[in-house]
Amino acid sequence: AQSVTQLDSQVPVFEEAPVELRCNYSSSVSVYLFWYVQYPNQGLQLLLKYLSGSTLVKGINGFEAEFNKSQTSFHLRKPSVHISDTAEYFCAVSSNAGGTSYGKLTFGQGTILTVHP
Amino acid sequence: KAGVTQTPRYLIKTRGQQVTLSCSPISGHRSVSWYQQTPGQGLQFLFEYFSETQRNKGNFPGRFSGRQFSNSRSEMNVSTLELGDSALYLCASSFVGGDSLQFFGPGTRLTVL
Repeated sequence: AQSVTQLDSQVPVFEEAPVELRCNYSSSVSVYLFWYVQYPNQGLQLLLKYLSGSTLVKGINGFEAEFNKSQTSFHLRKPSVHISDTAEYFCAVSSNAGGTSYGKLTFGQGTILTVHP
Repeated sequence: KAGVTQTPRYLIKTRGQQVTLSCSPISGHRSVSWYQQTPGQGLQFLFEYFSETQRNKGNFPGRFSGRQFSNSRSEMNVSTLELGDSALYLCASSFVGGDSLQFFGPGTRLTVL
């Protein structure tokens, strides 16, 4: 079984400040890691993914995340946020173990990022 | 390529009724997954279909069912609606499934009165 914990339910930040959204996961098998963003009344948009290789992954809109296997974390960062980054962010895991893993993403509870002018 | 489309976007039903939601995946994608999103429970996996077969199922009662057609389009059905079924239902498609990237549709907002 897998689980995802997003450590902050809400993160307020001022425009042009850096931000980090924290995500820890638990799994007995190797996982793939994702960050998705959801704007009001919309579906989920993929920000970035870690499948294998370099532990620092870069995504769209200037976001990046670092996979830390020893700490089972996958924190999302952006050096300078904009008003338009205000949204809810979800960390998710999946695995290729087959069976009960097919087509299943396990999500964290979400972090609402609010960027103030 | 067109993205994942879901119809209808909004639905209002009353308790006891049934509802059918539709999802058209990205062209070439053969896997479709469904999720329920509520403020209290967050995003929860319902089931996944690949080549018209359900390969995986989440922890939802049998009132929730789905199917996939030969063109990979998928439908999900909820029978005997309850107030707690009010949610945003999201569909996601991927090329193969498993570790493949999932691309989400805009969702269907179901309100049960």
